[in-house]
Amino acid sequence: DAGITQSPRHKVTETGTPVTLRCHQTENHRYMYWYRQDPGHGLRLIHYSYGVKDTDKGEVSDGYSVSRSKTEDFLLTLESATSSQTSVYFCAIQSLAGDEYEQYFGPGTRLTVT
Amino acid sequence: RKEVEQDPGPFNVPEGATVAFNCTYSNSASQSFFWYRQDCRKEPKLLMSVYSSGNEDGRFTAQLNRASQYISLLIRDSKLSDSATYLCVVNIGGGADGLTFGKGTHLIIQP
Repeated sequence: DAGITQSPRHKVTETGTPVTLRCHQTENHRYMYWYRQDPGHGLRLIHYSYGVKDTDKGEVSDGYSVSRSKTEDFLLTLESATSSQTSVYFCAIQSLAGDEYEQYFGPGTRLTVT
Repeated sequence: RKEVEQDPGPFNVPEGATVAFNCTYSNSASQSFFWYRQDCRKEPKLLMSVYSSGNEDGRFTAQLNRASQYISLLIRDSKLSDSATYLCVVNIGGGADGLTFGKGTHLIIQP
């Protein structure tokens, strides 16, 4: 258990509304990630953070923003949700195990945009 | 060419059998390799890292072939509880800027 929680776990929202997903970790990990998972695709990186206020874009960042004002929380915001953003969103942390970086995932948030 | 490719399956395997999956990756600069397991509607969970020398964890053995750019996972004496989707994962840069995931191989162990 990597001490990662996500909230909400399920959300249904309407097209055009803003949505914020929260990832919370309790073990002071520096690196945090947001991925989305869709049928027919592997997990794809949206944004990641390498410290407080330090973030960078991933493969599918369009339509998403992130913020990290404290180590334990990494927020993902959909400014104006679209149906194409219906997905399962996973947060992850990265820890160093020997010489390898290993990532551990939160339980996920199922988002439906109607 | 996709960066990480896996046979999606499903692999239907009788309980107690041995099953193996391969995964190919396109970027020869890839540094780190992993197998994750994902149960239906759950998060991916790290099964094992894959080291250059190969590694074993109980019934699971992972191998890396850098020359041919593939990794493999072997499961011996398969159990019903091994039914899941197995994700091949590559850290291309070896750093902290995210992993590249295959789409997964679906394994069904049959009684």
